[in-house]
Amino acid sequence: DGGITQSPKYLFRKEGQNVTLSCEQNLNHDAMYWYRQDPGQGLRLIYYSQIVNDFQKGDIAEGYSVSREKKESFPLTVTSAQKNPTAFYLCASSIYGSADTQYFGPGTRLTVL
Amino acid sequence: AQTVTQSQPEMSVQEAETVTLSCTYDTSESDYYLFWYKQPPSRQMILVIRQEAYKQQNATENRFSVNFQKAAKSFSLKISDSQLGDAAMYFCAYRWPGTASKLTFGTGTRLQVTL
Repeated sequence: DGGITQSPKYLFRKEGQNVTLSCEQNLNHDAMYWYRQDPGQGLRLIYYSQIVNDFQKGDIAEGYSVSREKKESFPLTVTSAQKNPTAFYLCASSIYGSADTQYFGPGTRLTVL
Repeated sequence: AQTVTQSQPEMSVQEAETVTLSCTYDTSESDYYLFWYKQPPSRQMILVIRQEAYKQQNATENRFSVNFQKAAKSFSLKISDSQLGDAAMYFCAYRWPGTASKLTFGTGTRLQVTL
């Protein structure tokens, strides 16, 4: 089945540690995105990538980093510089182009202890 | 900056009835896309419906339809014959024009469906 997978579903981190969230898609989509969701808020864009080896900052990129070495994969690292990392993280992908629609993975819940 | 406003934090509808969720947005662009996404308790975002701004005809998907008023910058979602499985958070989203497919989301409306 084609789709987007995120792992792990739940992740716990101690303060001061970096942690990497995985996002993989087998939809042959060109573009991939990372969003953060906090209670009572909509999704906010962290980073996005339109093609391999290229990515751009979104609205709240500080304290996060990404890589795009393969078309299928777009991992997100939450660094110790992120002041309030506890949130729900959603990955999405889309066909590159002006008419594309984003499809989402199941998400990862990150909790900082 | 583009903003998306959902003024109804919570709505309730009886099973089999119709409910309308409101969304307004602000943009200076003429060509863009609008979306409604559903987020059930599993928290996965599911596309409900999409509207291209250059199309005057309102989009429909089975029991879901939109009322797109471009001049008023309004994009409401109508759910007909509501079912228990429709209970979820609903998010309105604006897609910036151009090839950078960024979405700006509203804060969501929680829909309850009662018997």
